[in-house]
Amino acid sequence: SQQGEEDPQALSIQEGENATMNCSYKTSINNLQWYRQNSGRGLVHLILIRSNEREKHSGRLRVTLDTSKKSSSLLITASRAADTASYFCATATQGAQKLVFGQGTRLTINP
Amino acid sequence: ETGVTQSPTHLIKTRGQQVTLRCSSQSGHNTVSWYQQALGQGPQFIFQYYREEENGRGNFPPRFSGLQFPNYSSELNVNALELDDSALYLCASSWGGQGNYEQYFGPGTRLTVT
Repeated sequence: SQQGEEDPQALSIQEGENATMNCSYKTSINNLQWYRQNSGRGLVHLILIRSNEREKHSGRLRVTLDTSKKSSSLLITASRAADTASYFCATATQGAQKLVFGQGTRLTINP
Repeated sequence: ETGVTQSPTHLIKTRGQQVTLRCSSQSGHNTVSWYQQALGQGPQFIFQYYREEENGRGNFPPRFSGLQFPNYSSELNVNALELDDSALYLCASSWGGQGNYEQYFGPGTRLTVT
């Protein structure tokens, strides 16, 4: 079963624009992680945000977490063609061994 | 590159056959998790191995089994293959036997069952 739901399912923007993806989840979490996947290959870890954090930055990435709304957002600023990929949020609950992934947002950056 | 390797890259099997997939974890990591990703879906947790013991299992039947070796590499075995087993199989290594740590994924093995 999928805990996270990403929105939108697909997003197409012009190079240089900002891209925002949202993730909602159902249960209390220990942390939420964002991953990128290129062309159906392995996932690359982007950011981990803990339940007691509200915002984290990494380069052009900004992640927010609102535990009261059980939602997170990933903002990619000044997008590049190389950012074209699928983006997944994944939640980890306290004491659990697994990450629970959403279905992902497919991001396309047009030159 | 995460340092996690998987073999083989691609595999084609016939329904009813058995398959073994392999994963080498990143140096310093003692935990390997396996995920199944169907086309167009997010990865689904199969099971995790921590210090050579199964440490959690998702909603997969017993014909999905695994091993972890003393060097923390791991195998995923699937018996009596079904058409629905066609998917990308991902392994991920981490430090610690919980999902509270970032996981480092290998490139995956794409299994096709005909």
